[in-house]
Amino acid sequence: KAGVTQTPRYLIKTRGQQVTLSCSPISGHRSVSWYQQTPGQGLQFLFEYFSETQRNKGNFPGRFSGRQFSNSRSEMNVSTLELGDSALYLCASSLGTGMQETQYFGPGTRLLVL
Amino acid sequence: GQNIDQPTEMTATEGAIVQINCTYQTSGFNGLFWYQQHAGEAPTFLSYNVLDGLEEKGRFSSFLSRSKGYSYLLLKELQMKDSASYLCAVRDRAGGYQKVTFGTGTKLQVIP
Repeated sequence: KAGVTQTPRYLIKTRGQQVTLSCSPISGHRSVSWYQQTPGQGLQFLFEYFSETQRNKGNFPGRFSGRQFSNSRSEMNVSTLELGDSALYLCASSLGTGMQETQYFGPGTRLLVL
Repeated sequence: GQNIDQPTEMTATEGAIVQINCTYQTSGFNGLFWYQQHAGEAPTFLSYNVLDGLEEKGRFSSFLSRSKGYSYLLLKELQMKDSASYLCAVRDRAGGYQKVTFGTGTKLQVIP
């Protein structure tokens, strides 16, 4: 089985721009979660999508949004980028059934905002 | 809100056993994860506990006590490749949404 894939792997943007990141989960997985990881804050949960619906949400501003398509692929969008948005963005996929939950992370997209 | 505490750093000897503790406070507990993360890499799933007790997977075991808000990850027969950060994360339900909160991680160094 192919693992979780994320594109692009690296990205450089300037303040005020917007960015869209993509995540393709493992085949058969219906849940996709997004995380932001920075040296200062560690790993922080952004949101989770399950069957095209946002099921879980972290404490991030509305500039961070996402969606999930019928094939379970997910995109995350950040509008009006700020310097502090520079981070590694990770997505993780799982079956989404709750018990015996197993989450698999993708390699991440490293975003640098200048 | 949530509060997750785990030691910042630990050192252990190759071949030994090490226990990494995690304590948490949450209003609506709905499961606890352990992840391993090597420097520069994505986290790798190790375990998920939702019921009290010990779950064993090879050299790694994870324990949960919901009444005490406590979990530990036990690594046996330590190998040099086990040097990594170990992240404890709690899923809970707050404000109608389930949220996953990570601890800051425990950096484990395995020495010969």
